[in-house]
Amino acid sequence: TVLAQFPGTLSVSPGESATLSCRASHTVTNNYLAWYQQKPGQAPRLLFYGASSRAVGIPDRFSASGSGTDFTLTISRLEPEDFAVYFCQKYSALPPWTFGQGTKVEIK
Amino acid sequence: QVQLVESGGGAVQPGRSLTLSCVASAFNFNLYGMHWVRQSPNKGLEWVAVISYDGRNRFYADSVQGRFTISRDNSRNTLYLQMNSLTTEDTALYYCASDLYSKSSWGVFEYWGQGTPVSVSS
Repeated sequence: TVLAQFPGTLSVSPGESATLSCRASHTVTNNYLAWYQQKPGQAPRLLFYGASSRAVGIPDRFSASGSGTDFTLTISRLEPEDFAVYFCQKYSALPPWTFGQGTKVEIK
Repeated sequence: QVQLVESGGGAVQPGRSLTLSCVASAFNFNLYGMHWVRQSPNKGLEWVAVISYDGRNRFYADSVQGRFTISRDNSRNTLYLQMNSLTTEDTALYYCASDLYSKSSWGVFEYWGQGTPVSVSS
């Protein structure tokens, strides 16, 4: 399954909202889709799994939704620390597990 | 807090070998599947290999199958990746990561190390 993320880059002002999309080439079974955030020089950080289940410690200004082949990550009221690259990833009981190419959220 | 610390990366020539290590702390290492994930500018994030919590099951990406071996020592809270026949395509930052779910490996990467760089060139 290929995951396509768009847009490639999103320019947003602090305090505004950002909506990121992830589209799978095939239906994602049981909505087994995760989102990660990666800041420069850091490892990725798990944000969501199961399409909409928030990982431990993730602020509620982050939300995720979707099913089938179309998934969305929304960041409300962007804080300075939210400017980063975001990846979606399909998972399952067996590998391989694949990532999207990422969406960069940059300061406008 | 959970800490995963990788080591062993470096610069090597094509065809040579390298072994990466990942030491875990503040974490029930022996209950979780462990992964290696690599990242490069050309290929982005790429899952490489997984080993079950008890070491009985191992799976590899097609790109490394037959060349890389993942292993673990639960008595030392340590994960390994033996990399043989390295090519320039293996150049990347290599992360170890733990699975979200205990006693299973679903490919949800909860905790990550800081990564160790591997550069393969002649």
